[in-house]
Amino acid sequence: EAGVAQSPRYKIIEKRQSVAFWCNPISGHATLYWYQQILGQGPKLLIQFQNNGVVDDSQLPKDRFSAERLKGVDSTLKIQPAKLEDSAVYLCASSPDRLRPEQFFGPGTRLTVL
Amino acid sequence: DAKTTQPNSMESNEEEPVHLPCNHSTISGTDYIHWYRQLPSQGPEYVIHGLTSNVNNRMASLAIAEDRKSSTLILHRATLRDAAVYYCILRDDGGTDKLIFGTGTRLQVFP
Repeated sequence: EAGVAQSPRYKIIEKRQSVAFWCNPISGHATLYWYQQILGQGPKLLIQFQNNGVVDDSQLPKDRFSAERLKGVDSTLKIQPAKLEDSAVYLCASSPDRLRPEQFFGPGTRLTVL
Repeated sequence: DAKTTQPNSMESNEEEPVHLPCNHSTISGTDYIHWYRQLPSQGPEYVIHGLTSNVNNRMASLAIAEDRKSSTLILHRATLRDAAVYYCILRDDGGTDKLIFGTGTRLQVFP
């Protein structure tokens, strides 16, 4: 079974630029999560989708971050404009449904904002 | 959200058992105890979870105190590949499925 795929793996941009991350969850997984992990901290949930609907985006800085999950499969997370404090690893995870205990994480995208 | 307390770091020698503690004194009756680990440069990986009874799987064992205010993740024979950050997380599996990660315990394994 293929795991969660993310791209790019690394991205370096300057502040005020835009950036987008892509996630392809495990086939058939209805629930998709985006997390932000700042160096030395645990992952923090940014947004959760159930199919193509948003379940929880309470921690998403909506003035600069946006996310979508078209057709309930792939998802993109965008930052526009980026700030220095957005430097982090962005992790995508998926789960068959919200009731399953396991979330399956991708390898993440490491973003550096200069 | 209920919080957990874990030591910042622990050390072990290869092939020895490792006991990773977690305190969760404010746990509620519907909170499940989940453990994830994160190997270097990888995303977190599910390890095990439980509610009241001790649990075993191929990766580890989870021992839960009778009052549920603490738990211990047990790696029976540590390998170098077990070097990772281990997160103890409370999740209300009957309500929100949100995982709230703390800073975890960094486990070092020496050959």
